[in-house]
Amino acid sequence: DSGVTQTPKHLITATGQRVTLRCSPRSGDLSVYWYQQSLDQGLQFLIQYYNGEERAKGNILERFSAQQFPDLHSELNLSSLELGDSALYFCASSRTSGRSRVHEQYFGPGTRLTVT
Amino acid sequence: GIQVEQSPPDLILQEGANSTLRCNFSDSVNNLQWFHQNPWGQLINLFYIPSGTKQNGRLSATTVATERYSLLYISSSQTTDSGVYFCAVERVLTGGGNKLTFGTGTQLKVEL
Repeated sequence: DSGVTQTPKHLITATGQRVTLRCSPRSGDLSVYWYQQSLDQGLQFLIQYYNGEERAKGNILERFSAQQFPDLHSELNLSSLELGDSALYFCASSRTSGRSRVHEQYFGPGTRLTVT
Repeated sequence: GIQVEQSPPDLILQEGANSTLRCNFSDSVNNLQWFHQNPWGQLINLFYIPSGTKQNGRLSATTVATERYSLLYISSSQTTDSGVYFCAVERVLTGGGNKLTFGTGTQLKVEL
């Protein structure tokens, strides 16, 4: 158990819908990261938050957004869903602030999203 | 961006055999991690190894940062070692953030 929790574990929804994925980081970790794993793109970084502020952005679609709350949990919102958004979405956390040295990232169990 | 290549892409072993997985990366990095993704999709941390050598049971890893590669050794393989092994590298970004860039993985199957 990495200490990172994600809900829900599975999500099945229709095209055009909107969903919210939730992540709680390990105790003491201020950085939260979101990654997407799909068959054709592999594991790709989406976005990083540190203590409530966006720190880095990857190949995240405009239809996707995220935020980190004062209690440090994070949510990833996916809207106007398309079939191609079906993937495993991981949240990770670390102690890294990103400004100097980096620390180990620990991954949650993932949310498997199926868009039909 | 930084490129991460893993080899071999697929590997089939008999139980008890040893293997070496390789990860090459195209630029200097602040961090390198090895993960095992089990058949249920869970990503399990194996090593945090930006440089040097570490051992954990039957697994060990070596990163030679100056030559931009890392090796993961699996000894006396067991069927529970099956899954995908990922190497991921990390750099501090210009804007102050950081991210992991993953390789495409090595799919390992250990047979009885």
